[in-house]
Amino acid sequence: RKEVEQDPGPFNVPEGATVAFNCTYSNSASQSFFWYRQDCRKEPKLLMSVYSSGNEDGRFTAQLNRASQYISLLIRDSKLSDSATYLCVVHGFRDSSYKLIFGSGTRLLVRP
Amino acid sequence: GAVVSQHPSRVICKSGTSVKIECRSLDFQATTMFWYRQFPKQSLMLMATSNEGSKATYEQGVEKDKFLINHASLTLSTLTVTSAHPEDSSFYICSASGDYNTDTQYFGPGTRLTVL
Repeated sequence: RKEVEQDPGPFNVPEGATVAFNCTYSNSASQSFFWYRQDCRKEPKLLMSVYSSGNEDGRFTAQLNRASQYISLLIRDSKLSDSATYLCVVHGFRDSSYKLIFGSGTRLLVRP
Repeated sequence: GAVVSQHPSRVICKSGTSVKIECRSLDFQATTMFWYRQFPKQSLMLMATSNEGSKATYEQGVEKDKFLINHASLTLSTLTVTSAHPEDSSFYICSASGDYNTDTQYFGPGTRLTVL
């Protein structure tokens, strides 16, 4: 079983739609949580950190449920430019060092 | 924000040759650098972690004699893929962190390696 699980998608939505991505992680010792965005053939870029209290950045809202080991990302009013792969990432101490563990990503396609 | 560069961005080589990839932190000192590999439609997989002046720590299943990592200064780490084979073709991405907690990592633009 993968340590970070995501629905691979693709999610194909019209412009203006609201779309939600979910992610689960298996290691309860994970300490920090993030959503990254990766465009085709590019490096991942940090979208936002995720906190238990929930946090919002413009059209993006992220939520963490530590008890369920579940992370979510909500995108409102989708834009064409939101088309990308969204990576759920956890950070924690594994095998004697701190490291980021990446999910496989959820692909989003926003159509006109 | 902090900038990390990688060179080259793309390389095509023949089977059996060695390829060196450079990762530089341009405007900060990177106490720790990470090397990742990403195959098509898969997630980034950590290959190794390197701290300046010490030996790299490799993840399980990554051959340290095949993937040589040198982190000689606080702004430069290199990954050498020795005796490359077609199965080593992948997207190699480095990241750098300026603090020991390492949850904040700045990613380089990646190097696409194709081994013929």
